[in-house]
Amino acid sequence: NAGVTQTPKFQVLKTGQSMTLQCAQDMNHNSMYWYRQDPGMGLRLIYYSASEGTTDKGEVPNGYNVSRLNKREFSLRLESAAPSQTSVYFCASSDYDRGIDTQYFGPGTRLTVL
Amino acid sequence: KQEVTQIPAALSVPEGENLVLNCSFTDSAIYNLQWFRQDPGKGLTSLLLIQSSQREQTSGRLNASLDKSSGRSTLYIAASQPGDSATYLCAVVNNDMRFGAGTRLTVKP
Repeated sequence: NAGVTQTPKFQVLKTGQSMTLQCAQDMNHNSMYWYRQDPGMGLRLIYYSASEGTTDKGEVPNGYNVSRLNKREFSLRLESAAPSQTSVYFCASSDYDRGIDTQYFGPGTRLTVL
Repeated sequence: KQEVTQIPAALSVPEGENLVLNCSFTDSAIYNLQWFRQDPGKGLTSLLLIQSSQREQTSGRLNASLDKSSGRSTLYIAASQPGDSATYLCAVVNNDMRFGAGTRLTVKP
């Protein structure tokens, strides 16, 4: 099992450009999450999907959109990237939503917005 | 709003030493508390999950305790090894999961 995979691993964007971060899990988990991690701060939840077909905002959703394409895949889209979105983005999955059980994390996408 | 704090931000110890990492939180009405390990450039790996009704959890050389009334958790690492060098994060769950900023641990040979 690959667990949680993310693509790309690294990305550099110019201000105003758009991109989609991809995430897939092969553990048949119901819930999936997108976090961002900034230096000196813990992870902050951007969006989550408790189950296929549902998505909800987390702590810092502004400037992002998500799509739960199917049970395996959960994508994060930046429509018009801003320097404040420079961060490391992590996708995670779990059986139950919002931390009730263990979450499994992908390796992260390091995004720089110039 | 739940605030999670981890002190110290960084810690350096010689190999073999026993050590304690601290996590404090402001809202004691938590569902559970989790400890994660993060290696440089990597994602998070779950270490221990303590339910709100539990006082501690153990896995190998790791022991995590939870005191909800005081809003504190500790992660005890026994007989530390260079391979334990990583950043350790705690996260508390109320309506969502809130993370601390982590403690960066270096174990020197």
